[in-house]
Amino acid sequence: TQLLEQSPQFLSIQEGENLTVYCNSSSVFSSLQWYRQEPGEGPVLLVTVVTGGEVKKLKRLTFQFGDARKDSSLHITAAQPGDTGLYLCAGENFGNEKLTFGTGTRLTIIP
Amino acid sequence: EAGVAQSPRYKIIEKRQSVAFWCNPISGHATLYWYQQILGQGPKLLIQFQNNGVVDDSQLPKDRFSAERLKGVDSTLKIQPAKLGDSAVYLCASRLVAGGTGELFFGEGSRLTVL
Repeated sequence: TQLLEQSPQFLSIQEGENLTVYCNSSSVFSSLQWYRQEPGEGPVLLVTVVTGGEVKKLKRLTFQFGDARKDSSLHITAAQPGDTGLYLCAGENFGNEKLTFGTGTRLTIIP
Repeated sequence: EAGVAQSPRYKIIEKRQSVAFWCNPISGHATLYWYQQILGQGPKLLIQFQNNGVVDDSQLPKDRFSAERLKGVDSTLKIQPAKLGDSAVYLCASRLVAGGTGELFFGEGSRLTVL
């Protein structure tokens, strides 16, 4: 079973601070997605990265796919309370559409 | 466009009882997934359907869990008999694009508590 380890598991910071969440695996993935999940809801897609070394920006969020396609990071600039949630990375295997989710990072932004 | 519908939202049962969850994916989505999410953890894939065929069920505890997707549309997930460790949220997701990097659309989940 492929494992995607996320760190940190929990993160609580003040509004306005910057943060980085990491997603690491020993396996190579064809693509990697990041989702955010709020309590009582299903995860919602933030971004998909497909090329090794790829960087995507979504407003204050910057996503990077590792050169070897085994890891990814999510950087948030000037965090806001609305960024609070469970952040999940998910790697897709080549060819079979199986999406394996990471262990999750629970982020709390304190106003 | 209607999203992924799941029911029931909440279910409380005693161990050794049975339970069934229902999922109606987004119209036209060929791929359907059932995930189990234990509190505070990432979702774990239980079973993946492509139309009405099973693509992956390697992590489905087949001695107690079963799932079907009749006519390639709705799906049901059944647990019989339930154990305490089955307490979790069961998430259904669907995807339009086959063989690509399309987005998974999730339902709100069915929260199961086993006493």
